[in-house]
Order: sequence, then structure tokens, then C-alpha cells
Amino acid sequence: GAVVSQHPSRVICKSGTSVKIECRSLDFQATTMFWYRQFPKQSLMLMATSNEGSKATYEQGVEKDKFLINHASLTLSTLTVTSAHPEDSSFYICSARTGAVNTEAFFGQGTRLTVV
Amino acid sequence: KQEVTQIPAALSVPEGENLVLNCSFTDSAIYNLQWFRQDPGKGLTSLLLIQSSQREQTSGRLNASLDKSSGRSTLYIAASQPGDSATYLCASYSGAGSYQLTFGKGTKLSVIP
Repeated sequence: GAVVSQHPSRVICKSGTSVKIECRSLDFQATTMFWYRQFPKQSLMLMATSNEGSKATYEQGVEKDKFLINHASLTLSTLTVTSAHPEDSSFYICSARTGAVNTEAFFGQGTRLTVV
Repeated sequence: KQEVTQIPAALSVPEGENLVLNCSFTDSAIYNLQWFRQDPGKGLTSLLLIQSSQREQTSGRLNASLDKSSGRSTLYIAASQPGDSATYLCASYSGAGSYQLTFGKGTKLSVIP
């Protein structure tokens, strides 16, 4: 299957600072990328969908000014958690797909964010 | 809105047993159904993807079935091993272009040596 690389795998930051997470499709062009958040013992919840070159579409309840998503190229999307607070501590996972309808989604390894 | 439910939430079995994990979804108008494995603190490992025109997929000791009409999928694991211990997630693909993935909460499997 295709490879999606997510970096960093783990990050600890101080409250009030910003953290950037990168998601790269290594061997295919990802027209659409997705960002999920997973709290302990919970399922993955979709935060936003981003299409290359356009603004991200955020799910209800997700603050777009707090979770900045940039999908500047067909192989890279970034999620920036701005002014992080302890309640933002979570596991963030990205997913990438080609533009074709009904294609498989490929997932990154996830990023464990801890805000202290 | 699609809802995906996985039962049981946790399962403990002795090594060597065959087992079945269940996944149900409320909206049968799905495209694909995918099973993943997640180890503690790790990302998702894709196990099997069943497309809407298929009824099952097999990979090694794993077999996944899909019954869209009843809104159910099962993951069968044969001859379980301690290395199979992990959380298993199912996800349905639905919506326009099948871009909406909805995940269940997972079944945490423990295989006891």
C-alpha cells in the first residue's frame, strides 16, 4: 500500500505555544487529506478535510482558528495547534487519499501531543 | 449520520482460539468497509479492505465479511496468537465520493499465552 509519513511522532510543548504536525504522502499525490483526533479509549474523530490549494473544511465543534490546516502541495498537509492548552493533549492522525472516488485511505503513524 | 458500533469493547481469549469481532453500521449505503489494527500509542495498520461489491476478504489468518443489507461486518481471526493482542477498529466509507470515514470505538483484544 501507499505510505503516509507523519512527523513528529511525539511532542511535548508548554501551554500557550504552537505546535506543527506534518503529514506527507511519500509515493502518491494526495488530493485530499484528513486530520483525526483520538482521545484515550475513544474512536478517531474527524477534525477537518483539506483539499490541495483550498481552505480546509472543519467538522462541527472544531475551532478553525485554533487548528490551522495548510495543504499547500499534493504531498504535504500541516496541522498547527495554536496556543495549545492541556485539553488539546491527544493523539492526532492524518490520512491521505488520491482524488479518485472510492479509493482507499492511507494513514500516518500518528502524533502524540502532550501540552504541559 | 453514520454510526459504527463494535461489540464487544474488550475480549480476552486463550492462545490458539478462533474468534470473531463484530462491527455494525446504521447506514447501509456504504462504499467500503475497512478493518484496522492499532497497537497502544501507535497509528493504524490496515488489515483488510472490503469494497461494496465484495462480501469478504482474506489475508492469512484473517477473514473479514461484509453484509450491507444487515449493516454488519465481522473479522474472524483463526488460531489466535499473543501477537494479535491489540485494538481492532472498523471504519465505513460513505458519503459523496465515499470520503467520509466513520470509525467504531474498537475492540481491545487480549490473547493470553
